[in-house]
Amino acid sequence: DTEVTQTPKHLVMGMTNKKSLKCEQHMGHRAMYWYKQKAKKPPELMFVYSYEKLSINESVPSRFSPECPNSSLLNLHLHALQPEDSALYLCASSHPAQETQYFGPGTRLLVL
Amino acid sequence: EDQVTQSPEALRLQEGESSSLNCSYTVSGLRGLFWYRQDPGKGPEFLFTLYSAGEEKEKERLKATLTKKESFLHITAPKPEDSATYLCAVQAGGTASKLTFGTGTRLQVTL
Repeated sequence: DTEVTQTPKHLVMGMTNKKSLKCEQHMGHRAMYWYKQKAKKPPELMFVYSYEKLSINESVPSRFSPECPNSSLLNLHLHALQPEDSALYLCASSHPAQETQYFGPGTRLLVL
Repeated sequence: EDQVTQSPEALRLQEGESSSLNCSYTVSGLRGLFWYRQDPGKGPEFLFTLYSAGEEKEKERLKATLTKKESFLHITAPKPEDSATYLCAVQAGGTASKLTFGTGTRLQVTL
């Protein structure tokens, strides 16, 4: 089973709202990722967690705050976003020894 | 800096018309090359991982090959359901877990 789940599927929020995106995997993977994807562009890496610790932050603005409560869950907390943050947010996971990343279906975010 | 270039940007094929997608890469020490398929508004679906030059992998109508400078995704007798964007990504040794993606090839297969 190579399934990564993400909730919600769609999210509309105002610039003053606080919301969270959730990601879950039960493949025993110990690396989890957040990506942002704009239309007709490839995914852009935002954060990497390895063994529940933040290992890579690609200079992402502080209005995005990741959290990894345990090895199966990954959250992305959103606060005071801008309209240009509207995008498809993708979660992925991998087994560190194999490196192949498996992606979830994404959350389509619209910031008004 | 690692770079991935995919060509063509878009490709339109008739059902049954075989073709190849190209992924050229420049990377300092290839750790792995990955092919994904992405449907509009959905997450990338993993297809293949290739690790060394000369390696080939097949899945249904798709076959991926790897040389020291590029990878090809061969599509044999495509069907309309093969229509999608195909993404290539590389991972370099020393940049653990970081993928560098190409901009993708949008494939449309018509009847």
